Amino acid sequence: ILNVEQSPQSLHVQEGDSTNFTCSFPSSNFYALHWYRWETAKSPEALFVMTLNGDEKKKGRISATLNTKEGYSYLYIKGSQPEDSATYLCAFCNFNKFYFGSGTKLNVKP
Amino acid sequence: DGGITQSPKYLFRKEGQNVTLSCEQNLNHDAMYWYRQDPGQGLRLIYYSQIVNDFQKGDIAEGYSVSREKKESFPLTVTSAQKNPTAFYLCASKTTGTGGTGELFFGEGSRLTVL
Repeated sequence: ILNVEQSPQSLHVQEGDSTNFTCSFPSSNFYALHWYRWETAKSPEALFVMTLNGDEKKKGRISATLNTKEGYSYLYIKGSQPEDSATYLCAFCNFNKFYFGSGTKLNVKP
Repeated sequence: DGGITQSPKYLFRKEGQNVTLSCEQNLNHDAMYWYRQDPGQGLRLIYYSQIVNDFQKGDIAEGYSVSREKKESFPLTVTSAQKNPTAFYLCASKTTGTGGTGELFFGEGSRLTVL
């Protein structure tokens, strides 16, 4: 079983704050790194799929970077809004299998 | 609307009973997955299937069984051999993509409680 770690486990920020989380994964046998957002009582939804070292992806106020050589990815949220409150999961893809971290739970207070 | 449907949402089972969780998708995806979530842990892979009539064990397959007779359906049976079955179960299907680029689409999950 491959080890994927996310930090912090939880985060409480004020509306308008910018924040970032980390996902660490094995640097060998890398295929892709996925980020998912999981809102309470809903299904996880894909945010980003990243494959190349140095990849940077952006969707609105959310962006992510990837370093496959050292085995980490950062997710950034600029100007957090209450609707950003969710658990953010990263998943390391090794061939056809996905290994998930335990997630970072973000709570944005109005 | 296209998506993944899991049922039931909540299920209670007595010890020693087998129970089957349903997962249906109308996204025309070839690959499907079953994950288990326990408090404080990441999603752990139980079984996955890349194509109809074929499936592979994941990291925690003991005590579980699956079938993939139709593209749309990937039911999971939790058998009495599963020592700690109380958990939240998520089903997913994956879009086509090479090298791990296919995205996962998830159902809303089934919560199983063993009494």
